[in-house]
Order: sequence, then C-alpha cells, then structure tokens
Amino acid sequence: GQSLEQPSEVTAVEGAIVQINCTYQTSGFYGLSWYQQHDGGAPTFLSYNALDGLEETGRFSSFLSRSDSYGYLLLQELQMKDSASYFCAVYNFNKFYFGSGTKLNVKP
Amino acid sequence: DVKVTQSSRYLVKRTGEKVFLECVQDMDHENMFWYRQDPGLGLRLIYFSYDVKMKEKGDIPEGYSVSREKKERFSLILESASTNQTSMYLCASSSTHRGQENEQFFGPGTRLTVL
Repeated sequence: GQSLEQPSEVTAVEGAIVQINCTYQTSGFYGLSWYQQHDGGAPTFLSYNALDGLEETGRFSSFLSRSDSYGYLLLQELQMKDSASYFCAVYNFNKFYFGSGTKLNVKP
Repeated sequence: DVKVTQSSRYLVKRTGEKVFLECVQDMDHENMFWYRQDPGLGLRLIYFSYDVKMKEKGDIPEGYSVSREKKERFSLILESASTNQTSMYLCASSSTHRGQENEQFFGPGTRLTVL
C-alpha cells in the first residue's frame, strides 16, 4: 500500500522561507512530486524528484532522500499568492498517490 | 495551451440517480485518471486508464465505473448515486513519454452534491 504524511497546516509571514515535509511508505517508487492548489482551483504541478538531492525552480525547491523515504518543498521569499494547499505525491507504475495536503497561510 | 476539461463545474443529483461525469483532454495523453477530493483526505484515486478501453481500479472504486471509448475522453459513472459520494471530482491526464510521465494535468473539477 501507499501512505504519505505531511503537516495539515503551516503559517508563515511574507518574505520568509517555509519548508513543507513529506514522509512516505510505498511498495514501489519512481519519484516524488509536488502540486499546488489554490482554493477553488485545480492542482498544478510544481516539481518532481526522481533522484536524491535538491531540485530548484525559481523560488521553489524540492528535496528527496530515498533512503529516508522523505522529501520536502522549500518556498523562499514568500508572497501572499503562495497561500494555497500543497500536496506531495508518489509516482509509481503510472499511478500517483497523494498526501492529504498542507494548507499554507501567508500573512503580511 | 494544454487543457483538461470537465463537463460540469457543479452538479446536484438525487440519491439513486445514475450520474455521468465527462472529462476530455487535448494533449493526446495515454493516461487518464479520476480522483475524488475530500477535506483532510487529499486526492484519492478512483480509477485509472492507460489506453482506450483499458482501466485499472484505484484505491476507492466501489460504487463507480468508468468508460474510455476514445483516447481523449474518460467518463466516470456513478451507477446509483448515494449521499456519501458528495465530493469534488477531479480528472487528470499524463503522458507516458520518457521525461514527461511524472506530471499530471488536472481539470477544474466537478463539485457533485447528492441529495
């Protein structure tokens, strides 16, 4: 089976850095993805890690440690528009298994 | 601009009705998915299709069936709607091409209420 754990809610101030963690248990694993979903919107793809290490895309970075079954999403220079839910997802044999999501609240 | 569209944004049905949710993608993707999203539970996979007329059960297929007669269209069917199927339903698609297979594209969702 698949199991992903992430915090339910995180609050940070504008301009700060925030890290959203994800731990997973899975019977098979190709990589870890991150998705962003604004209220009322569809999830949109942010990043994917197939190998250990850090992937950087602008203000967002994602990290994976396969030996620890652990990853995180790092958001820098937080902006109000970053207020959203963030989901980690395991990619495995053409399927995706999602965590329950972390609601990020960015305050001025 | 790549697109996944769903037939309705909001739908209200009565218990026992047969419900069809339609999803169309214009990216020539091989894989298509149906999820339901409920507060605190994230996205749960209902069914997955990797080719025309091919399907696989996800984590919560009970009470649902699917149909994929054409590559671009994937339908979710609630044979006899029940109140516990009130939820947000999200359709997604993904490519099988190497280097693209890890990204899913989502439709806007259908909020279904069963009375």
